[in-house]
Amino acid sequence: KAGVTQTPRYLIKTRGQQVTLSCSPISGHRSVSWYQQTPGQGLQFLFEYFSETQRNKGNFPGRFSGRQFSNSRSEMNVSTLELGDSALYLCASSPVGGETQYFGPGTRLLVL
Amino acid sequence: DQQVKQNSPSLSVQEGRISILNCDYTNSMFDYFLWYKKYPAEGPTFLISISSIKDKNEDGRFTVFLNKSAKHLSLHIVPSQPGDSAVYFCAASARLTDKLIFGTGTRLQVFP
Repeated sequence: KAGVTQTPRYLIKTRGQQVTLSCSPISGHRSVSWYQQTPGQGLQFLFEYFSETQRNKGNFPGRFSGRQFSNSRSEMNVSTLELGDSALYLCASSPVGGETQYFGPGTRLLVL
Repeated sequence: DQQVKQNSPSLSVQEGRISILNCDYTNSMFDYFLWYKKYPAEGPTFLISISSIKDKNEDGRFTVFLNKSAKHLSLHIVPSQPGDSAVYFCAASARLTDKLIFGTGTRLQVFP
């Protein structure tokens, strides 16, 4: 089975722009979660989607949003980028939720 | 409030010896615990998990121990190998949610 894939792998944006990141889960997995990893904060939970519905949400501002499509693929959007949004954004999938999550390679975002 | 804590940011162990990585948690609702290994520029790789109904789970060289009364878990790697050098994250979740709460990680270095 192919693993979790994320595109793009690297991205450079400037402050004030917006960005969309994409995640394709493992085939058959319906739950997709997003995490932000920064050196100071470690891995922080952003949100989780299941069957096109946001089921859990972390403590991030409304500039961070996401969605999930009927094929379980998910996108994450960050609007009005700030320097502090520079991070590795990780997507993880699991069959229905509540079990082990499997991570993609991440998208490294640099905001200048 | 850091619900999952890894108090040792780094650990250095000689090849062939035992590596013990520790993790403490504060939320008594957590009932599923995982360890992930992470190399630079890659997503976390699932290593081993344990549910709260067990106190030990073993998979090859990796064993996870859970002490619920102390809200403490540990990962033992025996024997340690240079390829084990990575950052190790412990993570916890509450029943039937996909919201993983991660510790800040412990960097393990295994030297010859």
